[in-house]
Amino acid sequence: QVTLKESGPALVRPTQTLTLTCTVSVVSLRNAQMRVNWVRQPPGKALEWLAMIDWDGDKFYNTSLKTRLSISEDPSENQVDLTMTNMEAADTATYYCARGGGNYGFLLDSWGQGMLVTVSP
Amino acid sequence: EIVLTQSPGTLSLSPGERATLYCRAGQSVRSNYLAWYQQKPGQAPRLLIYDATSRATGIPDRFSASWSGTDFSLTISRLEPEDFAVYYCQQSGWSPTFGQGTRLEIK
Repeated sequence: QVTLKESGPALVRPTQTLTLTCTVSVVSLRNAQMRVNWVRQPPGKALEWLAMIDWDGDKFYNTSLKTRLSISEDPSENQVDLTMTNMEAADTATYYCARGGGNYGFLLDSWGQGMLVTVSP
Repeated sequence: EIVLTQSPGTLSLSPGERATLYCRAGQSVRSNYLAWYQQKPGQAPRLLIYDATSRATGIPDRFSASWSGTDFSLTISRLEPEDFAVYYCQQSGWSPTFGQGTRLEIK
C-alpha cells in the first residue's frame, strides 16, 4: 500500500512562487517504478491535471500551464516537488499528488490527502 | 486536448434507486482510456473505473460502466447512502483531462 502526502505553504502572496512536496512511502521511487502526478481543485470546482514525472525522470505538463510549472524528484528522499511561478488568486486550490498507473501513467489510483493553498496579499 | 462533458450536473435520487451518469468526449478517446472517480466532501477522489469498464480494486459490483463511441456512462445499480458524492470522468491517455463533475445528491 503506497501512501502519498503533500506538504508546503498554506498561504502564498500574489506573484510569488509556490513549491509543494509530495512524500511517497516506498523504498525507492525508481525501484517501485513510481509515476507521480499533481492535480489541483479550486474550491467548489472540478479537478485539473497539472504534471507528472515518471521513474526515469521524464516529465509531462498541462499545456496551458506549462510555462509556469516545473516538476522534479529527489530520489534519496522519495519526494517529488511541484513548482508554480507567478501565483495569482485563481491558483487558490487544493493540490493533490497521486500515483499514476495505466499505460501512460495518468490513471490516478492512489491519492494524497490534499493540501489547500490560498493565494492572497 | 479532449474536452469531457458530464451530465447531468446534479442528480437527485433516493437510496435503493438506480443512477446513471454520463460523460461525452469531444473526440475519440484512445483505447478507451476513460476513468471514473468518486469524491466525497473533504476527501481526495477515489478511482472507481478504468479503461472505460473495469472496476478498480475493492469497488463494489453495484458500480458498472459502459461506452459507445465517444459516450461513456457510469451506473450504480442500487444506491447506498455512501454513494452520494461527486463523480468525475477523466480521459487518462495523453494530456489527461477531467469532466466538470456530476453531483449525486439524496432526494
